[in-house]
Amino acid sequence: DQQVKQNSPSLSVQEGRISILNCDYTNSMFDYFLWYKKYPAEGPTFLISISSIKDKNEDGRFTVFLNKSAKHLSLHIVPSQPGDSAVYFCAATTTSGTYKYIFGTGTRLKVLA
Amino acid sequence: DGGITQSPKYLFRKEGQNVTLSCEQNLNHDAMYWYRQDPGQGLRLIYYSQIVNDFQKGDIAEGYSVSREKKESFPLTVTSAQKNPTAFYLCASKQQQGSNNEQFFGPGTRLTVL
Repeated sequence: DQQVKQNSPSLSVQEGRISILNCDYTNSMFDYFLWYKKYPAEGPTFLISISSIKDKNEDGRFTVFLNKSAKHLSLHIVPSQPGDSAVYFCAATTTSGTYKYIFGTGTRLKVLA
Repeated sequence: DGGITQSPKYLFRKEGQNVTLSCEQNLNHDAMYWYRQDPGQGLRLIYYSQIVNDFQKGDIAEGYSVSREKKESFPLTVTSAQKNPTAFYLCASKQQQGSNNEQFFGPGTRLTVL
């Protein structure tokens, strides 16, 4: 049972435009969500996170939106740059308990110059 | 420089052999994790440890073993019982207490079974 889903395996966007990556979850106990960026043959690097008490968190070009009622979060990258081309994973966890993270399957973003 | 190191970067093993992947962190993090990544799949949790001398099975622990004798070290052994060991293995660590800090990942080890 996939508790965290990223239904788009890939996305292509023109440089300068907005990239929107989506993530859905099924477990209503999740209360903390993260986005990671991963280049091939490297470990993921943390991008941005959001607690369930918020519906938006912004850090520079990156904004994460959380819609708890829909169990949906999205990552917006504006403006997109060629260096943003990578695989993006969303992850979800509960802040009480084991601190296990559940990762989605990833979305490969390609920003075209 | 604080961080997580994994060695080696690439590892080849003959079928039927056990192999141990190294993971060391100097971030003073309490929790450590092992994941594997396969093409087209997300990161799947193998084992995790929240404190020294304690660890728990993740979602795909069969064929793997770990130890946590020191806070900074969390080696993973891939045994011959693991049916499909060829994968990219990632180690991560996290501050257990306090605010919702993220997991920090090492650079990964690519294991290939010949």
